[in-house]
Amino acid sequence: AQSVTQLGSHVSVSEGALVLLRCNYSSSVPPYLFWYVQYPNQGLQLLLKYTSAATLVKGINGFEAEFKKSETSFHLTKPSAHMSDAAEYFCAVSDQGAQKLVFGQGTRLTINP
Amino acid sequence: NAGVTQTPKFRILKIGQSMTLQCAQDMNHNYMYWYRQDPGMGLKLIYYSVGAGITDKGEVPNGYNVSRSTTEDFPLRLELAAPSQTSVYFCASKTRGFTDTQYFGPGTRLTVL
Repeated sequence: AQSVTQLGSHVSVSEGALVLLRCNYSSSVPPYLFWYVQYPNQGLQLLLKYTSAATLVKGINGFEAEFKKSETSFHLTKPSAHMSDAAEYFCAVSDQGAQKLVFGQGTRLTINP
Repeated sequence: NAGVTQTPKFRILKIGQSMTLQCAQDMNHNYMYWYRQDPGMGLKLIYYSVGAGITDKGEVPNGYNVSRSTTEDFPLRLELAAPSQTSVYFCASKTRGFTDTQYFGPGTRLTVL
């Protein structure tokens, strides 16, 4: 069975600082990996996804993530945080057959002025 | 395109009541999903459908039922509501491709008292 672990349920950074949200996955087959963002009282929106092409994936709003098979990780980064980045972020894994997503528990990102 | 729409946005039920959460998509997507989101737990899959007339259980199906009579609609039925079903419910849809993105609706916040 596949699973996702997001390290840190709450991350707080200063505006302009590096954002690093951690995600580790477990999968018996090559995974597809996704990062979604949820702004308050809204649905989830795709930030980026890894689909076995380039290991460094660039997404919307300046976010990127690197797939590291040896570390079973897919950490999300942004060089400089903006106040508008405050939201909850979810990492998810999907296998190639079931087309179902398994989500991590989420990380709430707070940006301090 | 309206994308994925959900109604109602909010609902309060009494224990033992029943209701149907509506979900519709206008993107001609084959796959549709129902999730529930509880604080600190991420999203859990309740039911999903790979096309009209075909549904299957997800991780947490107990207390829920679904049907899929058309490509566009995927209602979720709660029978005999219980306080444990207090949650935010999200519907999502996607095309057949393994790497394709799931698109989420805005959610329904349900409280069972």
